[in-house]
Amino acid sequence: SQTIHQWPATLVQPVGSPLSLECTVEGTSNPNLYWYRQAAGRGLQLLFYSVGIGQISSEVPQNLSASRPQDRQFILSSKKLLLSDSGFYLCAWRVWTGDTEAFFGQGTRLTVV
Amino acid sequence: EDKVVQSPLSLVVHEGDTVTLNCSYEVTNFRSLLWYKQEKKAPTFLFMLTSSGIEKKSGRLSSILDKKELFSILNITATQTGDSAIYLCAVESSGNTGKLIFGQGTTLQVKP
Repeated sequence: SQTIHQWPATLVQPVGSPLSLECTVEGTSNPNLYWYRQAAGRGLQLLFYSVGIGQISSEVPQNLSASRPQDRQFILSSKKLLLSDSGFYLCAWRVWTGDTEAFFGQGTRLTVV
Repeated sequence: EDKVVQSPLSLVVHEGDTVTLNCSYEVTNFRSLLWYKQEKKAPTFLFMLTSSGIEKKSGRLSSILDKKELFSILNITATQTGDSAIYLCAVESSGNTGKLIFGQGTTLQVKP
């Protein structure tokens, strides 16, 4: 069966520090991968998606970047965090044909102080 | 630009009540609409709708899509405190990205 791992679960980082959040998927090949951010009690905003290794599409201009060094690994990064980067970050995967639901990781709650 | 709007944004009901959550959308080349329930962390999948007028049902939850009027509703009958959650609606346009555009969510609180 397929599983998705996302870590860390919580993170407190000072302004100006770097960031690296990692997401890995098991049990499937060539998934489409996504990073979402969620403000408190609100909907999900799509940040990045990837349809293959090294292929990254950005949905919103921001202080963050994403990379996909391996088929089932998706990384969200920042060189210098801003206070506005605080939020709940969710990684998701979906079969590339898009005929099924998207599956989400447990999320990372990032607080920038 | 693709857009999904949910209403109401928040709702407080008592156990046993029936609720209707709304989702309207504007999307280029609609492919599917999905409903998720989010209690604390990962959203969990409820329904995927692709055809108009066909109700999908799971226990006390049901959902239907109207592709002419560009909206969907999620009904929950005989609500329970365990139904308290954020309900998220998302749409997908055709293409190979599979990306989902989410609405703002509806926060439902069910009081005993």
